[in-house]
Amino acid sequence: DQQVKQNSPSLSVQEGRISILNCDYTNSMFDYFLWYKKYPAEGPTFLISISSIKDKNEDGRFTVFLNKSAKHLSLHIVPSQPGDSAVYFCAASPLNTNAGKSTFGDGTTLTVKP
Amino acid sequence: EAGVAQSPRYKIIEKRQSVAFWCNPISGHATLYWYQQILGQGPKLLIQFQNNGVVDDSQLPKDRFSAERLKGVDSTLKIQPAKLEDSAVYLCASSLPGSFEQYFGPGTRLTVT
Repeated sequence: DQQVKQNSPSLSVQEGRISILNCDYTNSMFDYFLWYKKYPAEGPTFLISISSIKDKNEDGRFTVFLNKSAKHLSLHIVPSQPGDSAVYFCAASPLNTNAGKSTFGDGTTLTVKP
Repeated sequence: EAGVAQSPRYKIIEKRQSVAFWCNPISGHATLYWYQQILGQGPKLLIQFQNNGVVDDSQLPKDRFSAERLKGVDSTLKIQPAKLEDSAVYLCASSLPGSFEQYFGPGTRLTVT
């Protein structure tokens, strides 16, 4: 029973265009969501997050949208750059006493073509 | 600020052998996590420490895996005996107490033959 799903294993976009990565979750106890980026042979690095009390959070070229009723979130990268090519993981956490425990999706490999 | 350190970076062992991984978290980070990441999947939490106490080890296969965090700083994860399905990258992460953002080390790639 996978509680966090990233249904697109890969995505390819042209440099300068928008990249949209999607994530669905099933556990209604999840209240905090994060995106991590991972380059080969490195550990994941935190990118951006959003609390369930918001529906949008923006940080430079990165924007995360949350649709709590649909249990869906998305990461928008505008404009996409070749350096954004990496694996992107969606993660979800419950707002309970064990803050920090995250459940990860299986990732989406983004390729940005020059 | 130094990041999360892990060693070794790579390890190849035969099934039924034992192996140990080491992690040094970011200074001041009381929470430490060990994850297993199988190829093509996301990280799966094995164990979470708060200082030197275990917060969550519900997904740790305790018949073969063990972990400790003596003195609330460094941590070791051990597998004994290893099975073929243990081949994966083992990631260590740390965070400030109550923070959702985790800082990951580079991982140890384990191959069991």
